[in-house]
Amino acid sequence: NAGVTQTPKFQVLKTGQSMTLQCAQDMNHEYMSWYRQDPGMGLRLIHYSVGAGITDQGEVPNGYNVSRSTTEDFPLRLLSAAPSQTSVYFCASSSYPPGQRSGNTIYFGEGSWLTVV
Amino acid sequence: GENVEQHPSTLSVQEGDSAVIKCTYSDSASNYFPWYKQELGKRPQLIIDIRSNVGEKKDQRIAVTLNKTAKHFSLHITETQPEDSAVYFCAASIRAAGNKLTFGGGTRVLVKP
Repeated sequence: NAGVTQTPKFQVLKTGQSMTLQCAQDMNHEYMSWYRQDPGMGLRLIHYSVGAGITDQGEVPNGYNVSRSTTEDFPLRLLSAAPSQTSVYFCASSSYPPGQRSGNTIYFGEGSWLTVV
Repeated sequence: GENVEQHPSTLSVQEGDSAVIKCTYSDSASNYFPWYKQELGKRPQLIIDIRSNVGEKKDQRIAVTLNKTAKHFSLHITETQPEDSAVYFCAASIRAAGNKLTFGGGTRVLVKP
């Protein structure tokens, strides 16, 4: 049981390049989400998914795309990287949306450190 | 949308003393309030959570209190230990708004031995 696996762990991009951050979970969780964490700040929700084929925008979706073709995978695509997207990105999964059920633990991946130069 | 403010941004306490972190939220419809601990370079980990139908919850040295009238909730850590040193984040979500979590800005806690 690997939990939530994110790749790559570190990445440097040039402005204008595109890339995909991968996220996979092996817990059969329906709810998956992507957050970004800027230095000294809390996490901000980028996109989330309540199940395969369903995605929705979070607080800061501009410049990012997601898809959910399978229950296990939830990749995050940066369309045209900008220095403002330099951040640490966390993928998370849980059986249900946050707070919907007691005992519903949100599992975070280890994070992906992205630098855009 | 929901806004969550967290204070203080840094907190230094002597080992064995108590630490209190307070968060205020803007939307009275918020119904779920988790607290996360994040060590340097690590992922956030849930340490305790509370729902809007409960006023207080305890788990060993950690407790959370909720004041719905004033729209604030607090994390209390008693008998602090050096391993409690970390950044703590509060968050809030609204069931009717898709249960999306809105995080506070974090509190860096340093426990001095």
